[in-house]
Amino acid sequence: DAGVIQSPRHEVTEMGQEVTLRCKPISGHDYLFWYRQTMMRGLELLIYFNNNVPIDDSGMPEDRFSAKMPNASFSTLKIQPSEPRDSAVYFCASSALAGLHYNEQFFGPGTRLTVL
Amino acid sequence: QQQVKQSPQSLIVQKGGISIINCAYENTAFDYFPWYQQFPGKGPALLIAIRPDVSEKKEGRFTISFNKSAKQFSLHIMDSQPGDSATYFCAAVSSGNTPLVFGKGTRLSVIA
Repeated sequence: DAGVIQSPRHEVTEMGQEVTLRCKPISGHDYLFWYRQTMMRGLELLIYFNNNVPIDDSGMPEDRFSAKMPNASFSTLKIQPSEPRDSAVYFCASSALAGLHYNEQFFGPGTRLTVL
Repeated sequence: QQQVKQSPQSLIVQKGGISIINCAYENTAFDYFPWYQQFPGKGPALLIAIRPDVSEKKEGRFTISFNKSAKQFSLHIMDSQPGDSATYFCAAVSSGNTPLVFGKGTRLSVIA
């Protein structure tokens, strides 16, 4: 398996523009997580899905952020309008539930977002 | 209640030395404690994990020590190598597949 795939790897945009980050989880995984990483705040969970359904979006910073998972193999994180303080590395991760066993979260390579 | 506190924020260790990173938690419902390793430009990846029914787990040069009564756990890297230079995150979780609660990370630099 190719692992978790994210695109784009780098995004530079201007303040006010819409940004869409994409993620393809590992096939067969039924949990998908979006994280944001900054030096100041570390790794923050933004939202996670189970079987394509959003379970907890309490980490989404503002209404400018939205996430969707239209099917088991694709998710998007959208920021509209973007602001310079949104500059960060955004990670997508996926995992599979297997009974009572704790399962490893597999992270993608991340998207480095720079908002000018 | 959900926090995992990690220290130090950064660490410089001589090659061959021991690197020690500490984490503490408050939520007694946590029952799985993984450590993730992140190299520059990469996503975090699982390094080693422990459950609270054991006090220590060792995998090669990496050891987790767990103190349930103190609600603390630590990562020890023996014979640290320059290739170990990375950011290390401790984490905790309290049920099968709810999200991990991560510490803020420790940037380790191993110098020759």
